[in-house]
Amino acid sequence: GQNIDQPTEMTATEGAIVQINCTYQTSGFNGLFWYQQHAGEAPTFLSYNVLDGLEEKGRFSSFLSRSKGYSYLLLKELQMKDSASYLCAVCDSNYQLIWGAGTKLIIKP
Amino acid sequence: IAGITQAPTSQILAAGRRMTLRCTQDMRHNAMYWYRQDLGLGLRLIHYSNTAGTTGKGEVPDGYSVSRANTDDFPLTLASAVPSQTSVYFCASSDSPAQGHEQFFGPGTRLTVL
Repeated sequence: GQNIDQPTEMTATEGAIVQINCTYQTSGFNGLFWYQQHAGEAPTFLSYNVLDGLEEKGRFSSFLSRSKGYSYLLLKELQMKDSASYLCAVCDSNYQLIWGAGTKLIIKP
Repeated sequence: IAGITQAPTSQILAAGRRMTLRCTQDMRHNAMYWYRQDLGLGLRLIHYSNTAGTTGKGEVPDGYSVSRANTDDFPLTLASAVPSQTSVYFCASSDSPAQGHEQFFGPGTRLTVL
């Protein structure tokens, strides 16, 4: 079967760094996406990784290891507005996205 | 309009009634998708369309139907609603169904079936 695992909830302090992990087992792999979803809103695209390594985009970075079936999203200099759910999704062999349940990130002042 | 719109924003529906959720995009994207999002679960694909005139079944298609008569519109119909279809429904689109193309999401429709 196909499976995406993420922690349900994490808490971090404003100004700090947090790493959100995602492990996956899917039928085929055509890249991994991270999305941000604020409560009551639609998901919005953060990053895409298809090759191993780190992709940096401002305060956000995403890492992929295909051999380990593992990715993480790194958020630096946390701000209160970063309080949201972070969704990991893998593009499978049929080019459909398989989604994790999301990690709710709570930022404390 | 810019992006994807969905209607209605929310709806309370009696079980057994028929309901169509509307989705329109103005980005000329080829691919469109319908997902449902339930607490504690990831987004689950209901139906998709890789291009106008074609549709396909996703992970949870039972009880739902779609059509794609043109590029812009992708309505989702519940023929006879049941309480287990209570959920938040998101429509999404992407330039291509192929590798690497991000999906853009509409604001969602919150549906309650009583």
